Amino acid sequence: DIVMTQSPDSLAVSLGERATINCKSSQSVLFTTNNKNYLAWFQQRPGQSPKLLIYWASTRESGVPDRFSGSGSGTDFTLTISSLQAEDVAVYYCQQYYGTPWTFGQGTKVEIK
Amino acid sequence: EVQLVESGGGLVQPGGSLRLSCSASGFSFSSYVMHWVRQAPGKGLEYVSAISSNGDSTYYADSVKGRFTISRDNSKNTLYLQMSSLRAEDTAVYYCVKIDAMVPGYWGQGTLVTVSS
Repeated sequence: DIVMTQSPDSLAVSLGERATINCKSSQSVLFTTNNKNYLAWFQQRPGQSPKLLIYWASTRESGVPDRFSGSGSGTDFTLTISSLQAEDVAVYYCQQYYGTPWTFGQGTKVEIK
Repeated sequence: EVQLVESGGGLVQPGGSLRLSCSASGFSFSSYVMHWVRQAPGKGLEYVSAISSNGDSTYYADSVKGRFTISRDNSKNTLYLQMSSLRAEDTAVYYCVKIDAMVPGYWGQGTLVTVSS
């Protein structure tokens, strides 16, 4: 199975400041045939189901604010929240859908400083 | 609009059984692979099982293999997860998930299974 490792486990950021979350996979999730990274980012607020933010590593889901962006390729990926808002307090997960089983990072808890 | 509504969760004793359902609407259910993902209280996400669009092919995580059975009824637009020999470590919220062009974009609200005496 592909192991996904996120860092940090938690971070506290002031309102309006940048938050950066890293995700590393134990093997590449880049499918060379179509040059796509099979990597998604999810936001999970307390008591809610995971919400898709980013897919193909950098494509923002419809309706997701443009302060959320994804980058990276191969085994190293980043989710950036450019200007943290109060409603962004949540746990964020990266996930690979390159292989079965899907595997997830352990989650990063984002709080307001 | 895609909707996935899980049901069937509850409190069950260790060793017991439970069947979860996921009622799907807003898309052609019979055309899609469907998945179950679970989340233990306060923990991360764990992939559980998947079933092909016609039900002929299934996948199970090692942690549930031999105890859980995934199935579907395309005439009823419903996905199932039959869980038996339940253990305390199976306590979790169970989500059904639909993919869209490979992307796991649609999640239900989840149903809580609690295994405890």
